[in-house]
Amino acid sequence: GAVVSQHPSRVICKSGTSVKIECRSLDFQATTMFWYRQFPKQSLMLMATSNEGSKATYEQGVEKDKFLINHASLTLSTLTVTSAHPEDSSFYICSAQQGLNYEQYFGPGTRLTVT
Amino acid sequence: AQSVTQPDIHITVSEGASLELRCNYSYGATPYLFWYVQSPGQGLQLLLKYFSGDTLVQGIKGFEAEFKRSQSSFNLRKPSVHWSDAAEYFCAVGANNDMRFGAGTRLTVKP
Repeated sequence: GAVVSQHPSRVICKSGTSVKIECRSLDFQATTMFWYRQFPKQSLMLMATSNEGSKATYEQGVEKDKFLINHASLTLSTLTVTSAHPEDSSFYICSAQQGLNYEQYFGPGTRLTVT
Repeated sequence: AQSVTQPDIHITVSEGASLELRCNYSYGATPYLFWYVQSPGQGLQLLLKYFSGDTLVQGIKGFEAEFKRSQSSFNLRKPSVHWSDAAEYFCAVGANNDMRFGAGTRLTVKP
């Protein structure tokens, strides 16, 4: 149980285009979902927290107009990287939390490369 | 604010040797503590977690961790390392619907 999927696993896009990454909780309802960014050989950096039906809460320094997060249902959250630039290339990982259970279940990650 | 420190960036051990990865945290109350493992290009896999109760926690793959409140530590241990344990290990602190990760420790296993 507690499986989280991400799609796509890898994506290459051209500079200036937008890319959408999906995060799904497959066998539970996720009241809260999180988006992280990980640079090579570095730790995970929390980008934003989203609750179903509410606007996402962004961490300091994360541009909310660039990284659009939608949590439309209890099983799906999307991260859209708008007007992507090469510096947006990174590994993006989502996680999902069920109710008041503090444990987060992580997706396998999405490797974004912007050329 | 809560924070996590993993003092060792990279550790090399021989296969079959014991392992201890250090983790120290800073938080006003007892937080929830986690250890995750990440293989290259992969997501995170939970090894074990501590919420309350017995301070020695058993996890998957033969790992265990001990919560020491007096030292604000949650070190990960394994008595005998296998070559397949080579990966990146992250300690994390969770509280108030928030989780913070340490910088990670990269484990190399020598044959």
